[in-house]
Amino acid sequence: EADIYQTPRYLVIGTGKKITLECSQTMGHDKMYWYQQDPGMELHLIHYSYGVNSTEKGDLSSESTVSRIRTEHFPLTLESARPSHTSQYLCASSDSGGELFFGEGSRLTVL
Amino acid sequence: AQSVTQPDIHITVSEGASLELRCNYSYGATPYLFWYVQSPGQGLQLLLKYFSGDTLVQGIKGFEAEFKRSQSSFNLRKPSVHWSDAAEYFCAVGTGGGFKTIFGAGTRLFVKA
Repeated sequence: EADIYQTPRYLVIGTGKKITLECSQTMGHDKMYWYQQDPGMELHLIHYSYGVNSTEKGDLSSESTVSRIRTEHFPLTLESARPSHTSQYLCASSDSGGELFFGEGSRLTVL
Repeated sequence: AQSVTQPDIHITVSEGASLELRCNYSYGATPYLFWYVQSPGQGLQLLLKYFSGDTLVQGIKGFEAEFKRSQSSFNLRKPSVHWSDAAEYFCAVGTGGGFKTIFGAGTRLFVKA
């Protein structure tokens, strides 16, 4: 069973608010990822990290930012949320074999 | 550019019937291939993966997949579907030195009694 946790699971907020989606893993993985998932669509990589103090933007442009100060923690922040940010955000980490371990997701709704 | 195509948006099968979910990929080198399953309200879980060797790989929950290089395919199969298999299934290819993973759009499986 994967040990990767996301909070909150569900969040409804108003436009212009700042939000942070938390992601933590206890497996000691160096690589961590944030994917954005809309219904019926593929997962899009928006951020990834290969270790502490390493962050890169993914294939899908996103207004969010991430940080990696500790190995186990990879939070995602939106400074000013908009309705276009409404989506599900999935955090994952990977081992040396390339398998991704996913959290249960954070479903964000911006009104 | 690397890509993954899952031609079927949704499939309905009867419980006990066999299942095949299709996946085609585009990738210049030898791909690392994966199938993940996502139940409603959950994250994704790995079913199986192919890196090299035997082109028929076995996974969890009775699933298997066959890598066919000539067809650029990695189809997922199960001989007898159970109602609990109803979920969304994603094919994915690992790419890049940093091992980024690209996903298909998914196939939703419905199981009827």
